[in-house]
Amino acid sequence: DAGVIQSPRHEVTEMGQEVTLRCKPISGHDYLFWYRQTMMRGLELLIYFNNNVPIDDSGMPEDRFSAKMPNASFSTLKIQPSEPRDSAVYFCASKTGGARTEAFFGQGTRLTVV
Amino acid sequence: GNSVTQMEGPVTLSEEAFLTINCTYTATGYPSLFWYVQYPGEGLQLLLKATKADDKGSNKGFEATYRKETTSFHLEKGSVQVSDSAVYFCALTPWGNTDKLIFGTGTRLQVFP
Repeated sequence: DAGVIQSPRHEVTEMGQEVTLRCKPISGHDYLFWYRQTMMRGLELLIYFNNNVPIDDSGMPEDRFSAKMPNASFSTLKIQPSEPRDSAVYFCASKTGGARTEAFFGQGTRLTVV
Repeated sequence: GNSVTQMEGPVTLSEEAFLTINCTYTATGYPSLFWYVQYPGEGLQLLLKATKADDKGSNKGFEATYRKETTSFHLEKGSVQVSDSAVYFCALTPWGNTDKLIFGTGTRLQVFP
């Protein structure tokens, strides 16, 4: 398996524009997580899905953020409109169920909003 | 609630020095505990884990022991290398909740030759 695949790796956009980040989880994994990493806040859990259903979106910062998982092999995180404070590295991770199982992370998308 | 507290970095060491990165947690019951490592420009990857009290996780010369009495999971390595320079994250999955993976803030390790 190629692992968790995120695209794009880097994104530079202007304030006010819509940004869409994409993630393909590992086949057979039924949990998918979106994290945001910044120097100030560290690694924050934004939202996670189980079997394509959002379970906890309490970490989503504002209504400008939305996430979808239309099928088991694809998820998007959308920011509309984007703001400079959204600049961060966004990670997607997937895992199978069970407390003892590890999460596998993608390489992240570095988002810069200017 | 459930949380993880790590020592602040950066931790700066010379090659072959002994490493300890402290991690303590707050959780009910018996969480599973993990250490992840993030090399520059990459995503996080699992370094080691322990899923019950007194378990010792180990990998690549790193070790950590699940201490329920002190709610700790400190990471140790006897002799660090320059290639160990990275950010290390302590994390837990709460007992009874097999979904969420809760991370500490991360500790940057810098090893100099």
